[in-house]
Amino acid sequence: DQQVKQNSPSLSVQEGRISILNCDYTNSMFDYFLWYKKYPAEGPTFLISISSIKDKNEDGRFTVFLNKSAKHLSLHIVPSQPGDSAVYFCAASEHDYKLSFGAGTTVTVRA
Amino acid sequence: GAVVSQHPSWVICKSGTSVKIECRSLDFQATTMFWYRQFPKQSLMLMATSNEGSKATYEQGVEKDKFLINHASLTLSTLTVTSAHPEDSSFYICSAREDGHEQYFGPGTRLTVT
Repeated sequence: DQQVKQNSPSLSVQEGRISILNCDYTNSMFDYFLWYKKYPAEGPTFLISISSIKDKNEDGRFTVFLNKSAKHLSLHIVPSQPGDSAVYFCAASEHDYKLSFGAGTTVTVRA
Repeated sequence: GAVVSQHPSWVICKSGTSVKIECRSLDFQATTMFWYRQFPKQSLMLMATSNEGSKATYEQGVEKDKFLINHASLTLSTLTVTSAHPEDSSFYICSAREDGHEQYFGPGTRLTVT
């Protein structure tokens, strides 16, 4: 049962433009959400997180938005850079414990 | 800080043999470690959660007798794939966390069973 869903398997964006990645979840008990970036044959690296008491968190070029009523979160990357090309995973946890991951979105930034 | 290492990074073994993968937290004490498995172009699937000094908690559908997990110290957890078969070929990733802190992931181990 996939509790975290990333319905777009891939995204292509031009360098300098905004990348928007979407994530939906079904478990209303999730209270902490994270985005990870992953390169092939490497472990995920933490990007940004948001607690359910907030609706926005910003860190440099990365902003995460949370819409609890819609059970939806998104990651905005602006401006997109070639080094951003990777797989991005959305993850959620309940009481800051084990993580449930989405299937990932492969981002390709075109020069 | 917050570095997690895995060893080996890549292992090839023959069907029927056992393989041990190590996960170490290098600069913090990992009260909890997690083991994930990732198939190509798929999500990370949590296999089990282990707390130092206690038995691992396995996710539904994961055979605990096949995937032996030992969390003997606050810096080391091991995953042993026993009697490996080709279908066990996968990318295994561990993560570690200290109470109240984020999970940090290891670089992963590519297992190929021939």
